[in-house]
Amino acid sequence: EAQVTQNPRYLITVTGKKLTVTCSQNMNHEYMSWYRQDPGLGLRQIYYSMNVEVTDKGDVPEGYKVSRKEKRNFPLILESPSPNQTSLYFCASSSQGVEAFFGQGTRLTVV
Amino acid sequence: AQSVAQPEDQVNVAEGNPLTVKCTYSVSGNPYLFWYVQYPNRGLQFLLKYITGDNLVKGSYGFEAEFNKSQTSFHLKKPSALVSDSALYFCAVSPRGGGGNKLTFGTGTQLKVEL
Repeated sequence: EAQVTQNPRYLITVTGKKLTVTCSQNMNHEYMSWYRQDPGLGLRQIYYSMNVEVTDKGDVPEGYKVSRKEKRNFPLILESPSPNQTSLYFCASSSQGVEAFFGQGTRLTVV
Repeated sequence: AQSVAQPEDQVNVAEGNPLTVKCTYSVSGNPYLFWYVQYPNRGLQFLLKYITGDNLVKGSYGFEAEFNKSQTSFHLKKPSALVSDSALYFCAVSPRGGGGNKLTFGTGTQLKVEL
């Protein structure tokens, strides 16, 4: 089954404690992205990757890092989380002209 | 820069009536356009897309959308709404070729279908 898998689904952490949200896709898609969803703001792109070792900033990259060492994986790293990064995060993968497939989301709370 | 506008935060419609969720976009060149639906505590599910060809696109669950280049719109429609259609709907645009398949989303429209 084609899918994008994110882990964890829920995470509560404290300010400044580094965390990683994993994302994996099994469709051999070249494009992968991270989004955050906040009420009234829709989904905003954090980072995207066009292929292995090729990443670029989206609209709201501050405070986040990503890496793409393998085609299937695209982890999101928060080196020093802050409360304003409390949000619902989605990973997505796609190919050119093909609709994006989304993971189930990770609800992050930073206290 | 590309952008998407969904002018209505919420749309209410009675079951059995037609529904329309509005979307307008701004992008350089010809776009790829998408509609996604989000049910509570779920990820986004793809409904339909416009890539090229016929301006009327048919998608999942009886939804359709019409691409209007002159009005830069891509409104989502369904002839007869169901209570189960109640959800959050997002319109998205992506530029053709390059751009890393960068999707830009609207702010979403909450659809409420009542008996």
